[in-house]
Amino acid sequence: EAEVAQSPRYKITEKSQAVAFWCDPISGHATLYWYRQILGQGPELLVQFQDESVVDDSQLPKDRFSAERLKGVDSTLKIQPAELGDSAMYLCASSPIKYGELFFGEGSRLTVL
Amino acid sequence: AQKVTQAQTEISVVEKEDVTLDCVYETRDTTYYLFWYKQPPSGELVFLIRRNSFDEQNEISGRYSWNFQKSTSSFNFTITASQVVDSAVYFCALSEAYNTDKLIFGTGTRLQVFP
Repeated sequence: EAEVAQSPRYKITEKSQAVAFWCDPISGHATLYWYRQILGQGPELLVQFQDESVVDDSQLPKDRFSAERLKGVDSTLKIQPAELGDSAMYLCASSPIKYGELFFGEGSRLTVL
Repeated sequence: AQKVTQAQTEISVVEKEDVTLDCVYETRDTTYYLFWYKQPPSGELVFLIRRNSFDEQNEISGRYSWNFQKSTSSFNFTITASQVVDSAVYFCALSEAYNTDKLIFGTGTRLQVFP
């Protein structure tokens, strides 16, 4: 069972609605990531946090996506308004050290109708 | 630009067969890291291995082995005596030294092992 907790596991929403995903990383992991995985593709980094600070959000569509990690522990990813092209799996991961050994959650699958 | 190519979209084998998953990468950096992750049907990606660009030694872990060849920019993954539990999508990934945590993933290879 994955130790990175994500919710909800599944979300169906209509376009133009707001949606939010929550992630609780492994305790003690300073680095937290949100990845988006479109069906049939590899994950793509949306945002990377080191504690509560954003390290990289170059791939985050900032006109509609936002992410926060206020206390440097859990994190929320929000989409407003959702578009059809946002349908994907949103994966959260955390890491205790550098060099890419990430621990992933089971993901939140979003379907936008 | 960085890029990871996994040309094999899907591979099907019968249990106990050996199977090799190919990975070709592109990067301009001399220092970089290569990874393999497994994504079972449950969805979470599971870390399998990390290799830095200065270490070309092949690695073996049980039934898994990895062949890193800088001359051909390849980092291939072989499963020996495959089992049904190996069925998953396997991703190869690359990161560069300036941000070792930013992984660029390939499109994955779906492996199906039939009994």
